[in-house]
Amino acid sequence: EAQVTQNPRYLITVTGKKLTVTCSQNMNHEYMSWYRQDPGLGLRQIYYSMNVEVTDKGDVPEGYKVSRKEKRNFPLILESPSPNQTSLYFCASSSHNEQFFGPGTRLTVL
Amino acid sequence: GQNIDQPTEMTATEGAIVQINCTYQTSGFNGLFWYQQHAGEAPTFLSYNVLDGLEEKGRFSSFLSRSKGYSYLLLKELQMKDSASYLCAVRESGSARQLTFGSGTQLTVLP
Repeated sequence: EAQVTQNPRYLITVTGKKLTVTCSQNMNHEYMSWYRQDPGLGLRQIYYSMNVEVTDKGDVPEGYKVSRKEKRNFPLILESPSPNQTSLYFCASSSHNEQFFGPGTRLTVL
Repeated sequence: GQNIDQPTEMTATEGAIVQINCTYQTSGFNGLFWYQQHAGEAPTFLSYNVLDGLEEKGRFSSFLSRSKGYSYLLLKELQMKDSASYLCAVRESGSARQLTFGSGTQLTVLP
């Protein structure tokens, strides 16, 4: 089954404790991206990747890092999480005209 | 940069037709997308328009006017399961397939 998976689905952590949210897709897509979704603000892009070893900033990259060592994986790294990074995070991969979203990761930073 | 506007909320009755509008401003247009998102779930793709006109897909249709910076999503024969948030997203030309999303329209279908 074609899908995008994310882990963990839910995470409660404390300020400053490094964390990684994994994302994997099995559709051989070159393009992957990370979004955060906050009430009233919609989906905002954090980072995107055009292909292996090619990443670039989206609209809200501050406080986040990504890597793309393999085509299927695109982890999101929060080196020192802060409460303003409490949000719902979605990973997505896309073919030409359709983005497939992962199930989401609900992150709470205390 | 881009600016995308859509109504925050709409309410309609089961079996009716509803039109959700989206207006956008962009320096270079390369496609408009509609996504459906149920509460707590991931967005799912509904439609894609890059040329002017109407694209029909079952009960859902999407219209685009590039000169007016305007699109709408038309939902016919509304069902209770259509209660969801509908997201309009625009891709800018030369943007490496980045999408900018509107804040979404929360549609409530009443019995």
